[in-house]
Amino acid sequence: EVQLLESGGGLVQPGGSLRLSCAASGFTFSTYAMTWVRQAPGKGLEWVSTVSTSGVTTYYADSVKGLFTISRDNSKNTMFLQMNSLRVEDTAMYYCAKAYTPSSRAFDSWGHGILVTVSS
Amino acid sequence: DIQMTQSPSSVSASVGDRVVITCRATQDITSWLAWYQQKPGKAPKLLISAASSLQNGVPSRFSGSASGTHFTLTISSLQPEDSGTYYCQQGHSFPFSFGPGTKVDIK
Repeated sequence: EVQLLESGGGLVQPGGSLRLSCAASGFTFSTYAMTWVRQAPGKGLEWVSTVSTSGVTTYYADSVKGLFTISRDNSKNTMFLQMNSLRVEDTAMYYCAKAYTPSSRAFDSWGHGILVTVSS
Repeated sequence: DIQMTQSPSSVSASVGDRVVITCRATQDITSWLAWYQQKPGKAPKLLISAASSLQNGVPSRFSGSASGTHFTLTISSLQPEDSGTYYCQQGHSFPFSFGPGTKVDIK
């Protein structure tokens, strides 16, 4: 059974940093691109970032480009999201997600989400 | 960047009704379109990928279709457990994007 478990969220002041982790199990982690999606309170889903299987290629939403860094450690089956210079508008539930096949761009497995609150 | 729109933004229908949700892309995304259902406090659930491919375990009353940049999700006979918010998502090119969502309520 595929499991994705996010951690590292919490309350941070504007301008601060957080590092989210997504621990994966139940599938061959190194063969799937991995993605972060966020959802602000009461709002819709927003794609944030995707990392390729090797970690060499990364993609970002314009809203986080230059502020967030996605990475992965295939030896530990874990993906990360380093979030710097956090703003109030980054407050959201952050989900990690896996594509349903290595070549798919739809996400069939999601973590339960981790809440990030940016507030003074 | 590709933008996704959805209509209606909300719909209230009775059990047994046919519900149609539409999604439109601002440019050609071929069949790189997925549909998700989300219930309050839960992660999204993938219903349909590649515009019309039903995920294993998803009831057959759900179906997807495509015509150019216009996509539809149809619930043929609405059930009480179908309440929630439905999102489309394009995976044609980065940055990926979701539609704003359609909230489905049961009368």
